[in-house]
Parts: sequence; structure tokens; C-alpha cells
Amino acid sequence: EIVLTQSPDFQSVTPKEKVTITCRASQTIGSNLHWYQQKPHQSPKLLIKYASQSFSGVPSRFSGSRSGTDFTLTINSLEAEDAATYYCHQSSTLPLTFGGGTKVEIK
Amino acid sequence: EVQLVQSGAEVKKPGESLKISCKGSGYIFTNYWIGWVRQMPGKGLEWMGIIYPGDSDTRYSPSFQGQVTISVDKSLSTAYLQWSSLKASDTAMYYCAKTSDDGNYFDHWGQGTLVTVSS
Repeated sequence: EIVLTQSPDFQSVTPKEKVTITCRASQTIGSNLHWYQQKPHQSPKLLIKYASQSFSGVPSRFSGSRSGTDFTLTINSLEAEDAATYYCHQSSTLPLTFGGGTKVEIK
Repeated sequence: EVQLVQSGAEVKKPGESLKISCKGSGYIFTNYWIGWVRQMPGKGLEWMGIIYPGDSDTRYSPSFQGQVTISVDKSLSTAYLQWSSLKASDTAMYYCAKTSDDGNYFDHWGQGTLVTVSS
């Protein structure tokens, strides 16, 4: 099973600051890595597919990148509405797996 | 508009059986995988398994194999997740989600079904 390790677990950030969340895969998964946002008491929503492709309707301040088995979600100029937990997800190999999540709090 | 509408919250006792549902609309139901994801209270997302409504091909996470059954009724455009004997540790929110065209990511999610198992 592919393990996805996210860091940090928690981040407290002021509005307009830049946020960087990392997801490391335990083995090679190509670009089969996707990012979701889950706000409190809501279902997850897709932000980024295939490491760096924005999903339809997602604000441009969200972006993703890949370097080998390390993946990064960046939120440029954080807004209050971005308070949420962010999860990475791999679809390279069954069983599909999720990272443990990174909670972003607004200071 | 793509929608996945899940059945309502359930409160059950240990040992009871349960079947929750996820009805898809706004797209060709048989052409896209449907997955189930568990979220225990205060915890992260766990992939349970996935089913292709077109031919009922089903894959399970080893963690959930034998613990739950995923099924589908094409005529009702509905996927199901069922337990034959619930445990307190099954208390969680359960989400269904539809995959993309290529089956690689979840592009639409249901609203979730809260299952509470308590004596």
C-alpha cells in the first residue's frame, strides 16, 4: 500500500500569507496525485488533479507541483474562506490512499 | 448538474445490519466508478472501495475487505454500502464520490451519511 505523508499536520496563517503543504509518497506514483479541500461539516472538494492541474472553478490562488515523489499544494495570498483541512490522494495503485490531512487555521 | 444524494443519518446498535445508499443524477451513472470513503470522528479520509456500475466490478481496500459490501442497482442509479453486523468502531461519516472520466480522482462527492453505532 502506498503511504502518503503530509506535512505539516497543522498550520496557523494570517490572511494574505502564502501556505505550502507537502505530500510525500512512499513509492513512485507518477503524477497520479490529487488534492482536496474539506471545510468543517462539509464534504471534500477537488482542488487539483494530476499534481498540478486546477479543477474547474477553483480559484487561481491554489496551485500544485511535483518533484519526484514529493508533491506540494500552494495557496497564494490566503483568504479567510480557505480555512479547511487539505488532503492529498493517490490513484496510481490500489488500494487508493489519502494523506493524513493538513489543517489550515486563519489567525 | 451532477449530484450524489446519500441516505439519511442512522443510529444502530452493535450487531445490527445496515445498508446506506448514494443516488447519482445528472450524468450517465453506469459510465463512472463510485467510491466510498470513511471519516471517523475528528479523523482523516479513508478509502474503502470502489464499484463500476456498468458491470459491478468492485475493488476493496484490504482494511475493509470482508467488513462491508459495496453494491449497485443500475436501474435506480444507486450505489450501496452495507454491513451485516455493525460494531461501535463503525461509527463514522461515510461519503460516496464519483470518479472522473479516467477513474483517477473524485470529482463529485455526496453530502455524507453519519452512522452512529451505540448500545
